[in-house]
Formats: sequence, structure tokens, C-alpha cells
Amino acid sequence: EAAVTQSPRNKVAVTGGKVTLSCNQTNNHNNMYWYRQDTGHGLRLIHYSYGAGSTEKGDIPDGYKASRPSQENFSLILELATPSQTSVYFCASGETGGSYEQYFGPGTRLTVL
Amino acid sequence: GQQVQQSPSSLVLQEGENAELQCNFSSTATQLQWFYQSPGGSLVSLLSNPSGTKHTGRLTSTTVTKERRSSLHISSSQTTDSGTYLCAIEPGANTGKLTFGHGTILRVHP
Repeated sequence: EAAVTQSPRNKVAVTGGKVTLSCNQTNNHNNMYWYRQDTGHGLRLIHYSYGAGSTEKGDIPDGYKASRPSQENFSLILELATPSQTSVYFCASGETGGSYEQYFGPGTRLTVL
Repeated sequence: GQQVQQSPSSLVLQEGENAELQCNFSSTATQLQWFYQSPGGSLVSLLSNPSGTKHTGRLTSTTVTKERRSSLHISSSQTTDSGTYLCAIEPGANTGKLTFGHGTILRVHP
């Protein structure tokens, strides 16, 4: 039973459209994260959250919003999708502290045409 | 500049050989984590090792915090070890944010 799940797993969107990527975790972790992975850039942090109701900007937040309505759920929202946002998106959960690990979901492949 | 550098960028082994992967980082790290990414794309945490030596199965990680480096040793490699190995650090104090290296691509031939 996967502890971090993402939906959808694949998505094709049109330029200018709104896209919502969803993430659910059953680890009861306080922190959740959204990353994107692109060839040549590796994994980069978009937004993260320290708990329900909180969202923080990561390293590349422009063009993205995030929402954390509960401990378990964290969404990434693209209000006006652009082709440059075509990527693989990963959600993760974790805790803050020296020995804590982050656990990742299976990823969502987003294509913006 | 890049905060986390991994070497080599790629490595080819025959099954049974050992692998040594390196991770160097330019800032202090309160957390260091090694991940495996399968050819299909899924990311799995291998181990967390912010300092010292840690073993799990055929994997041994040694992190020397003062020298800002970590290694991952894979013993007796198997074809199923093929994939990308990523090193990530939490720079600074307890932010919970990870910065990733670009990874080492490992191919193990039978």
C-alpha cells in the first residue's frame, strides 16, 4: 500500500488551461513537497508545506500555486499552463530533522500543448 | 553554482562488481539522503546518512560532514541495480527542503 499517491499519473493540457495535480500521503508527515524533474536540471523544489493551511515557495515557484487543505492532501495548481511546464512532477512527504527521510510518490507526467 | 555534485555521471559494471558513487556538496548539510530512481521513473529512498557510516543490505554510505562529501558503495552489483542514483542534502538548519544532485546513471550488465 503506497504511502504517497498522486493523481493523475498522466495529463495532457492545453496552453492557457488550468491544471491541478493532487497528492495524498498516509505517512502522517507534517511536511509535503512538490518537485519537477527535467533533463539537465534534475529535481527542483516548487512549493512545500509544513502543515495544513501552510504553503511556502520553493526554488522555482513562478507560475505555480499550492494548496494544503489537510494533513494528508497537497495540491499543485497551474492557473495558466504553458508548454515550459511540461515535465514530470513528484510529490513527497517528510519531516524536518537530521535523520528523517522524504518519501516520494510515483510522479505525474504533464504535457502542455 | 550547483550545491550538490555527483560523480561519476555514469558508470557501467559487470554483474558482481562493486560500485562507488560520490556526492560532494558546497554548503553545510543537516540531512543527506540517497535515492534510487528506476528506469521507469519511480523514486525510492535508499538511506539517510547525514554523518558517519550506515549499512543497509549491499549498500554502505559514508558521510564526512566536515569535508562535505558522501559516498555510496554498492557491493556485488546486480542487473536490477541499474538506474539512477541521486544524492540530496538539506542545506542549512532544519528547513526540511532537499537540494538534489543530477545523479549517477548506473548500468549493470549480466
